[in-house]
Amino acid sequence: GNSVTQMEGPVTLSEEAFLTINCTYTATGYPSLFWYVQYPGEGLQLLLKATKADDKGSNKGFEATYRKETTSFHLEKGSVQVSDSAVYFCALRGGSSNTGKLIFGQGTTLQVKP
Amino acid sequence: EAGVAQSPRYKIIEKRQSVAFWCNPISGHATLYWYQQILGQGPKLLIQFQNNGVVDDSQLPKDRFSAERLKGVDSTLKIQPAKLEDSAVYLCASSSQGTANEKLFFGSGTQLSVL
Repeated sequence: GNSVTQMEGPVTLSEEAFLTINCTYTATGYPSLFWYVQYPGEGLQLLLKATKADDKGSNKGFEATYRKETTSFHLEKGSVQVSDSAVYFCALRGGSSNTGKLIFGQGTTLQVKP
Repeated sequence: EAGVAQSPRYKIIEKRQSVAFWCNPISGHATLYWYQQILGQGPKLLIQFQNNGVVDDSQLPKDRFSAERLKGVDSTLKIQPAKLEDSAVYLCASSSQGTANEKLFFGSGTQLSVL
């Protein structure tokens, strides 16, 4: 079945460092890919998405490119801030499944130190 | 616009007791989801409704969990009897149509502790 695998956390960075959180997926067909973020004490919210191969999703300085050849959707940011500290979830929907079910990875905790 | 509302925010029960969670999705959203998020893991879908019909309940432990969505709006999720391993955050989400590239809107969740 469809699945998502993320890099293990926590990831600890200093402010202004470069961030990469790896995400790979297994799916049949052509799923849509998402990054959701969960800030401390808040609910999950969509950070960015890409719906087809080679699309780049971007928001708040974060970017991720849908790479079908490597089945990856790595999250990047050039210069992180303390306020980016949160748990980041990679997810997919669709592909051969048409129920709209969102399948999540296990989450990666990011801690940014001043 | 108002977001997805869930209640209660926290619940503590003893094992073998029953518990119910309530969700009110964003107005007009046809699709409603219940997810279980165990500490340190990603959310796992329990059940998906399209209006008041069930689309996917393949990962719902039906011997103890039940859910309904009366009139295609509010939904309740019940656990009876609860087990220790049911301790988790239960998230409700909704989307407009349930298509693959749609955004899901999540509620703040109900944190359940089973003692």
